[in-house]
Amino acid sequence: DADVTQTPRNRITKTGKRIMLECSQTKGHDRMYWYRQDPGLGLRLIYYSFDVKDINKGEISDGYSVSRQAQAKFSLSLESAIPNQTALYFCATGGGVTDTQYFGPGTRLTVL
Amino acid sequence: AQTVTQSQPEMSVQEAETVTLSCTYDTSENNYYLFWYKQPPSRQMILVIRQEAYKQQNATENRFSVNFQKAAKSFSLKISDSQLGDTAMYFCAFMKYSSNTGKLIFGQGTTLQVKP
Repeated sequence: DADVTQTPRNRITKTGKRIMLECSQTKGHDRMYWYRQDPGLGLRLIYYSFDVKDINKGEISDGYSVSRQAQAKFSLSLESAIPNQTALYFCATGGGVTDTQYFGPGTRLTVL
Repeated sequence: AQTVTQSQPEMSVQEAETVTLSCTYDTSENNYYLFWYKQPPSRQMILVIRQEAYKQQNATENRFSVNFQKAAKSFSLKISDSQLGDTAMYFCAFMKYSSNTGKLIFGQGTTLQVKP
């Protein structure tokens, strides 16, 4: 089984809808991250969490919120989706601050 | 602020040949980490290789090796004996050693096609 899983793998939604992307990990890592990938821009950090009680904004957090339900679970929400949030979203985990990050399989989100 | 630049949007190589992907970065930090990630058509981000800036020796992983030039702020990836399964987008990434976020800063990516 994969160490980092994301659901759904693909999602098409409409402008204004609320969307939740979920991430689970079995690596036992404390640190979890949400990144967004856009063509020509690489990946950019949306939010990160060091533990259940510690949530921090990344460089592009506007329009997004997160929830760390447990050490192993970290969800990303779009409260009111807009078309420019169409992108590939990745969850990642890391054991320590400068440890290698391991990525989930990504969620392709399309907002019409 | 740190930036990472991959100046080759697309590259191709014949199977069994060698190819080098370029990456440059800008930072005022002395200690940091550099990474190459591979993203095949499956979309999965896979770590290829990692380099600590304080290590002078270039990292190698089987057919993958890097040429780390700290003074020039260059971190290229060499793939030897290219295989069809190496077809993917490759991302160079930077992380500060002193980072309290663990934030990775990515380049724009290079799409590599290995031709039979």
